[in-house]
Amino acid sequence: AQKVTQAQTEISVVEKEDVTLDCVYETRDTTYYLFWYKQPPSGELVFLIRRNSFDEQNEISGRYSWNFQKSTSSFNFTITASQVVDSAVYFCALSEEGNYGQNFVFGPGTRLSVLP
Amino acid sequence: DAGITQSPRHKVTETGTPVTLRCHQTENHRYMYWYRQDPGHGLRLIHYSYGVKDTDKGEVSDGYSVSRSKTEDFLLTLESATSSQTSVYFCAISGGQVVFYEQYFGPGTRLTVT
Repeated sequence: AQKVTQAQTEISVVEKEDVTLDCVYETRDTTYYLFWYKQPPSGELVFLIRRNSFDEQNEISGRYSWNFQKSTSSFNFTITASQVVDSAVYFCALSEEGNYGQNFVFGPGTRLSVLP
Repeated sequence: DAGITQSPRHKVTETGTPVTLRCHQTENHRYMYWYRQDPGHGLRLIHYSYGVKDTDKGEVSDGYSVSRSKTEDFLLTLESATSSQTSVYFCAISGGQVVFYEQYFGPGTRLTVT
């Protein structure tokens, strides 16, 4: 069965520090998709990124970057020069192509606190 | 932002009463989902729908039922609310016909069962 692990329950950093959030996944499918979501204190869930299993190219978007490594089944998320507004719970998720409807699995989340 | 609304946004109800939560989308997406979010459990799938009148159970479906009579509306009903159903409920939709892609979430409904 598919599974997503986020071993870091809570992380605290001081503003302007870089921080990496870890995500390790398990799947038997060869085609799958990985996602990151952000849940700020206001409670909404915000989609950040999707990566396909056949595309291991890393991605950078402003201060955010994602490192996808199939060899270690990891999809880590780095925030460079963190800001207080980055404080949130971050969820990693996995979707398998062959499991209609119930294909989405979320990790338990990592709570990031960025202190001024 | 995806056009997803949930109503009510907050509700307090008593044990044993029926409760219906509504999810409304303006994106014409085929797939809709109901999740609950609880501390220590993350997001867990309750039910999902893959079309009008087509629904199926998720991981934690006991005590819940759903209905979808129109593409844009997905209702979640707690037939007889219990304190264990106190939670934050999120509705989600997935883009177009590609169910495996990202899900977009509504703002959530905070339900308290006393």
